[in-house]
Amino acid sequence: GNSVTQMEGPVTLSEEAFLTINCTYTATGYPSLFWYVQYPGEGLQLLLKATKADDKGSNKGFEATYRKETTSFHLEKGSVQVSDSAVYFCALTGMYSSASKIIFGSGTRLSIRP
Amino acid sequence: GAVVSQHPSRVICKSGTSVKIECRSLDFQATTMFWYRQFPKKSLMLMATSNEGSKATYEQGVEKDKFLINHASLTLSTLTVTSAHPEDSSFYICSATDRDRSDTQYFGPGTRLTVL
Repeated sequence: GNSVTQMEGPVTLSEEAFLTINCTYTATGYPSLFWYVQYPGEGLQLLLKATKADDKGSNKGFEATYRKETTSFHLEKGSVQVSDSAVYFCALTGMYSSASKIIFGSGTRLSIRP
Repeated sequence: GAVVSQHPSRVICKSGTSVKIECRSLDFQATTMFWYRQFPKKSLMLMATSNEGSKATYEQGVEKDKFLINHASLTLSTLTVTSAHPEDSSFYICSATDRDRSDTQYFGPGTRLTVL
């Protein structure tokens, strides 16, 4: 079945450091890929998405590229801020939207030091 | 943006009692709501999908008689954990899709259930 594997945390970085959170997936067909973020005390929010191979999702300085050949969707940001501290979830659905069943990775907690 | 609320945010109950958790879409009509369970340091696991006015569809391994889901209106779905036991202690999260914009799920802040 479909599954998502992402790097275990916690990840601790200094402000302005470069961030990469790895995510790989297993899926039949052509899934859509997502990154969700959960700030402390809040619900999950969609950060970015990509619906087909080679698409790049981007938002708030974060980027991820849908790589079908490596079945990956790594999250990157060039210069992190303290406000980026949160838990990040990689996820997929089997259709071109997140309105259907979502398969989540285990989440990666990110902490940014001032 | 679309907001989903959950109530209560935390609940502690005694073993054997039932607990109801509400999920509301505050500024949109939700045709579909999802209920997830999150264990510590684990991923969110989908429990069931509910459509307004019809029975919920449960994922394999989820006891429908234990986790009762009611989606009575386009803005409210409830999850009732019946005869709760300590192993039911978890973080329960709901999400909803906007009827007018079905390409996105909006998540609630979650409910922490502790069964003593």
